[in-house]
Amino acid sequence: NAGVTQTPKFQVLKTGQSMTLQCAQDMNHNSMYWYRQDPGMGLRLIYYSASEGTTDKGEVPNGYNVSRLNKREFSLRLESAAPSQTSVYFCASSEGGVNQPQHFGDGTRLSIL
Amino acid sequence: AQSVSQHNHHVILSEAASLELGCNYSYGGTVNLFWYVQYPGQHLQLLLKYFSGDPLVKGIKGFEAEFIKSKFSFNLRKPSVQWSDTAEYFCAVNGGTGFQKLVFGTGTRLLVSP
Repeated sequence: NAGVTQTPKFQVLKTGQSMTLQCAQDMNHNSMYWYRQDPGMGLRLIYYSASEGTTDKGEVPNGYNVSRLNKREFSLRLESAAPSQTSVYFCASSEGGVNQPQHFGDGTRLSIL
Repeated sequence: AQSVSQHNHHVILSEAASLELGCNYSYGGTVNLFWYVQYPGQHLQLLLKYFSGDPLVKGIKGFEAEFIKSKFSFNLRKPSVQWSDTAEYFCAVNGGTGFQKLVFGTGTRLLVSP
């Protein structure tokens, strides 16, 4: 039972390069989320998808784009990476209701030089 | 806008000591509250949650939290910590918008010495 799977686990990029972080969940959840985690700042929501076919901006969307490819998959794209985007990125999913917990992936540690 | 404050950024305890981590939120309406734990090198896991009813909520691994509406607080407690409780703890709130969009606190890093 994999839960939420993120790839890659680690990545080093040069400033200006682009890349896509992949996320897939096998729990048939409606909602999916992308967060970034920075020291002393907790988790901040980048984008979310309340249901298949919809995406919305979170707290810190600048510099990112997302695609909800299908119910299972939700990808995060950095079009032109900047050092300020060095972070640990977590994907999460939930059934979507206000009383449903979110389930997290193992994270992607991204360094931008 | 909703916000969550965790005032203790780092806590160091000896094994068997009691733990209380503070969490205060700002939101005037109905709230749903969560505590998540992140063990070193792992992803976040749900410790416990409060939606309604008994304000004293029990979670996994002997943790509990008390919702005090008048104080806008949801403090996490454990009577006797173990070395394996070393982790970072996050409080989160969802302001009952009909869809779950959590706001997280900045986290408390707990170190339990043997």
